[in-house]
Amino acid sequence: AQSVAQPEDQVNVAEGNPLTVKCTYSVSGNPYLFWYVQYPNRGLQFLLKYITGDNLVKGSYGFEAEFNKSQTSFHLKKPSALVSDSALYFCAVRAPISSGSARQLTFGSGTQLTVLP
Amino acid sequence: DGGITQSPKYLFRKEGQNVTLSCEQNLNHDAMYWYRQDPGQGLRLIYYSQIVNDFQKGDIAEGYSVSREKKESFPLTVTSAQKNPTAFYLCASTSGSQSNYGYTFGSGTRLTVV
Repeated sequence: AQSVAQPEDQVNVAEGNPLTVKCTYSVSGNPYLFWYVQYPNRGLQFLLKYITGDNLVKGSYGFEAEFNKSQTSFHLKKPSALVSDSALYFCAVRAPISSGSARQLTFGSGTQLTVLP
Repeated sequence: DGGITQSPKYLFRKEGQNVTLSCEQNLNHDAMYWYRQDPGQGLRLIYYSQIVNDFQKGDIAEGYSVSREKKESFPLTVTSAQKNPTAFYLCASTSGSQSNYGYTFGSGTRLTVV
């Protein structure tokens, strides 16, 4: 079974400072990893993904994430936070299609990011 | 523009009443999903469907039912058997050729029991 852990329910950071939102995963085989963002009363929006290739993945709105296979982590980062980055962030994992996972994503419990002005 | 449309945005249910949440997509996606979101619990899978006329239970299917009569539509019925239906419901879809991109989500329906 695949699983995702987001160990922090809440992350607070001052505007202009770097931010990190943590994610660790467990899956059979090489993982497909995703980050989504959710604003209040809205659906989830895709931020970035790791399928294969470079361990550092760049996504929307200046976000990036680093895949670390040995630590089974996929932490979300941004060099300089904005107040508008305040939202709920979800990490998700999927096993490769060949594993018969029916393309299912498993989501973490979410991390509320608050950027303070 | 292609996307997923969920309706209504807000829904109120009386005790003992069945209600149906609509999810329509024009992305030509094969697979569709329903998730329930509660504060602090992330997203929990209710039902999913990979093809028309076929669907599978997710982790919390009790008290819910679905149908997939058309590729574009995957409505969710919250039955009176669901004892705690107040939550935010999200519909998502993906296709075989674009599954590397994960899911496309609708904007959600907030259901409240009154």
